[in-house]
Amino acid sequence: DGGITQSPKYLFRKEGQNVTLSCEQNLNHDAMYWYRQDPGQGLRLIYYSQIVNDFQKGDIAEGYSVSREKKESFPLTVTSAQKNPTAFYLCASSSLTQGSLAKNIQYFGAGTRLSVL
Amino acid sequence: EDKVVQSPLSLVVHEGDTVTLNCSYEVTNFRSLLWYKQEKKAPTFLFMLTSSGIEKKSGRLSSILDKKELFSILNITATQTGDSAVYLCAVEVLYGGATNKLIFGTGTLLAVQP
Repeated sequence: DGGITQSPKYLFRKEGQNVTLSCEQNLNHDAMYWYRQDPGQGLRLIYYSQIVNDFQKGDIAEGYSVSREKKESFPLTVTSAQKNPTAFYLCASSSLTQGSLAKNIQYFGAGTRLSVL
Repeated sequence: EDKVVQSPLSLVVHEGDTVTLNCSYEVTNFRSLLWYKQEKKAPTFLFMLTSSGIEKKSGRLSSILDKKELFSILNITATQTGDSAVYLCAVEVLYGGATNKLIFGTGTLLAVQP
């Protein structure tokens, strides 16, 4: 099955700890994205990557880091500098090479819920 | 600042009812408007709209865009309990040069009662 796999589903972070959320896709998509979802707020963009070994900050990148060493993988690290990490994290991907109307449709994984101990 | 506003925030209906969800936006560099359905976890894609006045339809769901008045509606007819979900509206805008990004509204929580 083609899709986006996020792991783990639930994650707990201790104070001062860095944690890494995994995102893998087998859709052969070029672009990948990380969003944060909080109650009463829309999804907010943390980081995105359009090509391997390149990524850009989104609107709320502070306290987060990413890497894109493979096309299929875009892990997100929540660092100890992120003071309010409790949220639902969603990873998405899109093809930048499909027909012009479809290429920017983003498809989402099932998410990781991060809580602070 | 780019903004997407959805209304109502939540809605409770009975099976068989018809519902209309609203999405208004104020953005620069509009490219398209997308609707997603989120049932607890992954948002799933419903529609992408780029042109005014052209209805997109999939089964009991339909959507239309008005680029002059800057809004879209999502209609669901003959609602079923399986339609219960958060419906997200997102506007695609040009961002940082050649990149596009999605700006999301807060969503409408729809509960369909038997």
